[in-house]
Amino acid sequence: QKEVEQNSGPLSVPEGAIASLNCTYSDRVSQSFFWYRQYSGKSPELIMSIYSNGDKEDGRFTAQLNKASQYVSLLIRDSQPSDSATYLCAVRDDKIIFGKGTRLHILP
Amino acid sequence: GAVVSQHPSRVICKSGTSVKIECRSLDFQATTMFWYRQFPKQSLMLMATSNEGSKATYEQGVEKDKFLINHASLTLSTLTVTSAHPEDSSFYICSAAWGDQPQHFGDGTRLSIL
Repeated sequence: QKEVEQNSGPLSVPEGAIASLNCTYSDRVSQSFFWYRQYSGKSPELIMSIYSNGDKEDGRFTAQLNKASQYVSLLIRDSQPSDSATYLCAVRDDKIIFGKGTRLHILP
Repeated sequence: GAVVSQHPSRVICKSGTSVKIECRSLDFQATTMFWYRQFPKQSLMLMATSNEGSKATYEQGVEKDKFLINHASLTLSTLTVTSAHPEDSSFYICSAAWGDQPQHFGDGTRLSIL
């Protein structure tokens, strides 16, 4: 069975530091990778997508993909209290599979 | 970015009522729409996947006669919770995608059955 694994957390990071969120997946043929942010009581919001090995930067967010090692990560620079949320990793080949999410808590 | 509208945002009704939730893609044609359910402090649970003009594919353990899905056009899918009971109370979220593009989520519907 295809799986997407994330540490449930909570991950506590001081304000201004770098938050690092990791995700591993089981299906080697997966082609598309996404990070979503979900605030408590709200629906998920797409923040990054990545399709090829390496880094992809968008503002304070950097997604990193390593297909050989089957992991994808999300770095958040200069963490802000407003970044406190659950971050969902999603992986797609023929269907999209979500991880259970990592709760991130930015300490003011 | 892509916009998915979900309506209503909140429903409170009596046990035995049927409730319809609408999901619309406003600025793109969604080839596939997804319906999720999420209980408090738990992860998203995919209920079903629907493609325009064809029957929905339900995940294991989801009763298709209980949760009726209609995807009549490329911009509209509906989920009807038939004869809802208190255990159906949850946060229902739809999402839509076009081709290989990422899914975009609606704002969700909080369903409370008394």
